Amino acid sequence: NAGVMQNPRHLVRRRGQEARLRCSPMKGHSHVYWYRQLPEEGLKFMVYLQKENIIDESGMPKERFSAEFPKEGPSILRIQQVVRGDSAAYFCASSPRDRIYAFFGQGTRLTVV
Amino acid sequence: GQQVMQIPQYQHVQEGEDFTTYCNSSTTLSNIQWYKQRPGGHPVFLIQLVKSGEVKKQKRLTFQFGEAKKNSSLHITATQTTDVGTYFCAGRGNAGNMLTFGGGTRLMVKP
Repeated sequence: NAGVMQNPRHLVRRRGQEARLRCSPMKGHSHVYWYRQLPEEGLKFMVYLQKENIIDESGMPKERFSAEFPKEGPSILRIQQVVRGDSAAYFCASSPRDRIYAFFGQGTRLTVV
Repeated sequence: GQQVMQIPQYQHVQEGEDFTTYCNSSTTLSNIQWYKQRPGGHPVFLIQLVKSGEVKKQKRLTFQFGEAKKNSSLHITATQTTDVGTYFCAGRGNAGNMLTFGGGTRLMVKP
């Protein structure tokens, strides 16, 4: 049973480009969470999704950021027109149901140059 | 909204010394979880506490959930160099599904 898979592990984008981060949850997990971590800082909640539904996106910036978790395929975090301040590690976590602990992927380290 | 504060932010200890990190929430929590993140790694789940006043042990690690379910602590006895990393608490409120993470305590152990 593979763990939470995130790809790519490292992503370099020029300012103004789009970044697409993928997360495949553990088998049997229908809940996905995205977190952002700036260097030397804690984890900031961005969005919580179940299959085909966004449950809570209160941590997501209103512009340029979007997330989806389609019926088939991985969850995608999309950042349009990236800026330097978007450089961070983005972690995805999944759980099989509500209100229990989550398993984290290894993260995608986004660098905007 | 819910806020979770963790202290200290950093802690340097000599190998063999004890270490404690404290977590405080602005609101009552339904449960609290602890994670460890090694340098360059990803958070790894350690434990979940649910009941008021609960105490759980994992070898040299002792986790405690306060009576009011608003604070928690992690205590490591006789630290080892393998304990190096950042320890995060994460609280879940009574309403909603969002896990709110504390800022973490970065532990450094001198051999």
